[in-house]
Amino acid sequence: NAGVTQTPKFQVLKTGQSMTLQCAQDMNHNSMYWYRQDPGMGLRLIYYSASEGTTDKGEVPNGYNVSRLNKREFSLRLESAAPSQTSVYFCASSGLLDYGYTFGSGTRLTVV
Amino acid sequence: GESVGLHLPTLSVQEGDNSIINCAYSNSASDYFIWYKQESGKGPQFIIDIRSNMDKRQGQRVTVLLNKTVKHLSLQIAATQPGDSAVYFCAASSMMDSSYKLIFGSGTRLLVRP
Repeated sequence: NAGVTQTPKFQVLKTGQSMTLQCAQDMNHNSMYWYRQDPGMGLRLIYYSASEGTTDKGEVPNGYNVSRLNKREFSLRLESAAPSQTSVYFCASSGLLDYGYTFGSGTRLTVV
Repeated sequence: GESVGLHLPTLSVQEGDNSIINCAYSNSASDYFIWYKQESGKGPQFIIDIRSNMDKRQGQRVTVLLNKTVKHLSLQIAATQPGDSAVYFCAASSMMDSSYKLIFGSGTRLLVRP
């Protein structure tokens, strides 16, 4: 099925460990986004890539880095995980804004 | 900074009744708005959108109303069904922002009583 694919779906990390969340879309969208979702706080934008070759910070970028590997793929890296980064992470992509974002199914990350 | 907020964290309705979920936004430059539905364990799904040059838009059983004067929008669901139980988010953006960033509200959980 066409859409946004995120891996892994679940992950448990120890404090200080690093990991990369992967995201790929097959809709030829220009823009891609990483959000985190915490209880009662909606979705907050971490980083985004308006087009291939560009990345920019969102509302809550501290502790994260991103790479727009090509038009399809946009990865999110945690260099030294902290318990405050325990959250559900969503990747999304957008072509024309008229059609909104397409979201992946999320990665549930727990940092202990 | 700009914000988007929903008025109620939880809304409980009787099956068959109409549901109204409200949202307020702060940025006067926002000119594009979307409602999303998120079921447990899934990513948000697009429901309906509206541009600022409209004040009403209808879909299948859903209607979005936009009041730019008071920076308020609402989602109305007609004849609410058990399958409508989910968390609903409103989001706002500016068409002038080429990055198309969406700012999300905190969500309203809709509970449908049988």
